[in-house]
Amino acid sequence: AQSVTQLGSHVSVSEGALVLLRCNYSSSVPPYLFWYVQYPNQGLQLLLKYTTGATLVKGINGFEAEFKKSETSFHLTKPSAHMSDAAEYFCAVSESGNTPLVFGKGTRLSVIA
Amino acid sequence: DGGITQSPKYLFRKEGQNVTLSCEQNLNHDAMYWYRQDPGQGLRLIYYSQIVNDFQKGDIAEGYSVSREKKESFPLTVTSAQKNPTAFYLCASTLRGANTGELFFGEGSRLTVL
Repeated sequence: AQSVTQLGSHVSVSEGALVLLRCNYSSSVPPYLFWYVQYPNQGLQLLLKYTTGATLVKGINGFEAEFKKSETSFHLTKPSAHMSDAAEYFCAVSESGNTPLVFGKGTRLSVIA
Repeated sequence: DGGITQSPKYLFRKEGQNVTLSCEQNLNHDAMYWYRQDPGQGLRLIYYSQIVNDFQKGDIAEGYSVSREKKESFPLTVTSAQKNPTAFYLCASTLRGANTGELFFGEGSRLTVL
């Protein structure tokens, strides 16, 4: 069965510092991997996704993630945090287009001025 | 504009009452989903439907019911049997089989039981 583990329920960084949000997954087949962002009282918005091909994936708002099969990881990074990046971030995994996404518990990112 | 519309945004209910949350999409997506979100617990799947007139239970279906009479609509009823219904509910959809399972979300409905 698929599962996702997000390390750290809350991460705090200074404005301009590196953002690193960790995600590890388990899957019996090559997975599809996603990062979503959620602002308070809103739905989820796709940041980026890995399907096949290049393992370094670039998304919106300057975020990127790297699929590392040997480490079963899909960590999200951004070189320089902005105040507007403060939100909750969810990692998700899917084994096919016909199975529901399985989500991690989320990581709340705070950005300190 | 295409998208997913959830209503109401906020809903209050007394214990023992059933409530229905609406979800409508005009994306021509085949599959629709309901997730429940609680602080610190991420998103948990309640029900999903991949075609009209068919749906499957997710991980936490007890106390909930759904219907899928039209492709565009997937309402969720929170029944009085749901012991802890206060939560944020998210509806999502995807084009079944055509991609990787990427979901498109509505803005959510927050249910509070008084």
